[in-house]
Amino acid sequence: GAVVSQHPSRVICKSGTSVKIECRSLDFQATTMFWYRQFPKQSLMLMATSNEGSKATYEQGVEKDKFLINHASLTLSTLTVTSAHPEDSSFYICSARSQGASEQYFGPGTRLTVT
Amino acid sequence: GENVEQHPSTLSVQEGDSAVIKCTYSDSASNYFPWYKQELGKRPQLIIDIRSNVGEKKDQRIAVTLNKTAKHFSLHITETQPEDSAVYFCAASMSGANSKLTFGKGITLSVRP
Repeated sequence: GAVVSQHPSRVICKSGTSVKIECRSLDFQATTMFWYRQFPKQSLMLMATSNEGSKATYEQGVEKDKFLINHASLTLSTLTVTSAHPEDSSFYICSARSQGASEQYFGPGTRLTVT
Repeated sequence: GENVEQHPSTLSVQEGDSAVIKCTYSDSASNYFPWYKQELGKRPQLIIDIRSNVGEKKDQRIAVTLNKTAKHFSLHITETQPEDSAVYFCAASMSGANSKLTFGKGITLSVRP
């Protein structure tokens, strides 16, 4: 149990375009989903927390108008990187947690390359 | 806010030996401490966790110990195997709907065959 999927696994886009990444909990209801960014050989940097049906809470320094997060259902959250630039190239990982639980389960990540 | 420190950044052990990875945290209100294993290019996998009402938890070759007074917790891997080679992250959080994990910087464990 506790399987989280993420799509796409890899995406290459041109500078100025937008990219949407999906995160799904496959076998449980995720009342809370988290979006992280990870640079090579570094730890996980939390970008935002999203609760189903509510606006996302962004960490300090993360532009909410650039990284749009939608958590429309208990099994799906999306991250849209708008007007992508090469510096947005990174590994984006989501995680999901069910109501009342402490455990977070991670998706497989999305490798974004902006050319 | 919470601060989680993880040292050293790398650890190399001989296959069959034990490995111990230590983390410290700063917020005494934290009560949940998971450990994640991440292989190159893959997702972090939850391998074991402990809550503050327990001092030790074991799962086959893996164990975690917690010292609330000193605010540190450790991951113990016995009989290490080459497939244990990965980056290990510790984390800490409080309870509640608005809680979030604070991660350490990670340690790269290498198990020499």
